[in-house]
Amino acid sequence: GQQLNQSPQSMFIQEGEDVSMNCTSSSIFNTWLWYKQDPGEGPVLLIALYKAGELTSNGRLTAQFGTTRKDSFLNISASIPSDVGIYFCAGQPSGTYKYIFGTGTRLKVLA
Amino acid sequence: GAGVSQSPSNKVTEKGKDVELRCDPISGHTALYWYRQSLGQGLEFLIYFQGNSAPDKSGLPSDRFSAERTGGSVSTLTIQRTQQEDSAVYLCASSYSHTETQYFGPGTRLLVL
Repeated sequence: GQQLNQSPQSMFIQEGEDVSMNCTSSSIFNTWLWYKQDPGEGPVLLIALYKAGELTSNGRLTAQFGTTRKDSFLNISASIPSDVGIYFCAGQPSGTYKYIFGTGTRLKVLA
Repeated sequence: GAGVSQSPSNKVTEKGKDVELRCDPISGHTALYWYRQSLGQGLEFLIYFQGNSAPDKSGLPSDRFSAERTGGSVSTLTIQRTQQEDSAVYLCASSYSHTETQYFGPGTRLLVL
């Protein structure tokens, strides 16, 4: 099935560092969602974005809905060991109810 | 309130057997989605239910896969004559409507031997 281009695929960072990941699409999206998935669990919603240009924070997490409506990024500041997991973006194309998911960014934090 | 629940959490079956996976969405959520997640991959859309409307089955990979939603609440995903390539995590998500954000269940991990 169709998937978004999410990068990077994986990251190894030191505790305390900032992290940035992004998703791009060839389609215009109405909604961008960012999820985190821990091993053996379902994805948990982190941030939802509904308007182009919207910048939303959730604690140490910040995400933005790109002004072209074809991209979004997620930043994590001052990473901690529990940030380890897989981060997925998901976008809802204009005029549809389906969500298209990115392939995930696997984050590992070294203490 | 309670989140999305799925059962069983793990299922091991033999090739050729049928399996049924269950999803209990959040109460009041009219939209329900099924996804498949293969090892190390993203989520693949399977099927979407919205209220009493006909479901969107466009993501089902073959006619061995079917799903139903009874009374607009609980949903069952059935895989007939399972194959080894069906091994994956099957995730269910629900939302108030298709314009609202989805909340996921913990998934059912299916292993076909």
